[in-house]
Amino acid sequence: DTGVSQNPRHKITKRGQNVTFRCDPISEHNRLYWYRQTLGQGPEFLTYFQNEAQLEKSRLLSDRFSAERPKGSFSTLEIQRTEQGDSAMYLCASSLAVGPVTEAFFGQGTRLTVV
Amino acid sequence: AQTVTQSQPEMSVQEAETVTLSCTYDTSESDYYLFWYKQPPSRQMILVIRQEAYKQQNATENRFSVNFQKAAKSFSLKISDSQLGDAAMYFCAYLGAGKSTFGDGTTLTVKP
Repeated sequence: DTGVSQNPRHKITKRGQNVTFRCDPISEHNRLYWYRQTLGQGPEFLTYFQNEAQLEKSRLLSDRFSAERPKGSFSTLEIQRTEQGDSAMYLCASSLAVGPVTEAFFGQGTRLTVV
Repeated sequence: AQTVTQSQPEMSVQEAETVTLSCTYDTSESDYYLFWYKQPPSRQMILVIRQEAYKQQNATENRFSVNFQKAAKSFSLKISDSQLGDAAMYFCAYLGAGKSTFGDGTTLTVKP
């Protein structure tokens, strides 16, 4: 297992375009998290899944953002009609939530630049 | 809502010395977990140490230890015998009922 994988690593897009990011968690992990991180700040929680169920969404996740985890494995995060303020690092993390909570393992992130 | 505050945007330490990074949090939950993560420049975030709130004993991982004061809602990280490779941004994180909250981080510089 190579850990949490995120693709693409970098994405440059024009304002108004749609973008989609993918996250492949560690295979046996049932929880998957999405965060957004801007320069000099801590990760901001966006949403998380337990298996295929999306259990919580942050108010930061406007109606332009949508996340899916259709089969309880990989997840996608789509941003529609991108804005310059969407430029950030998007982090995915996974964990195994059975009994005591273990830590979340992070991917390397997808850096989005909206021009 | 839970909040996590790291009051030290930047800290520096001499190699081989000890440094303590501060973290306070606010929550109404009684069962939760606290973590310190390290994020080197342009690299992914990795776990340094974790603490279960129901455990009174402070967690220790080699040169890293925490001072967990539940009543004061304080969770500081002590790095002993600092090494050049410890230079990074350190984030304190809270995990309650599913959702996690991170502080804004402390940038640690290690001077040779």
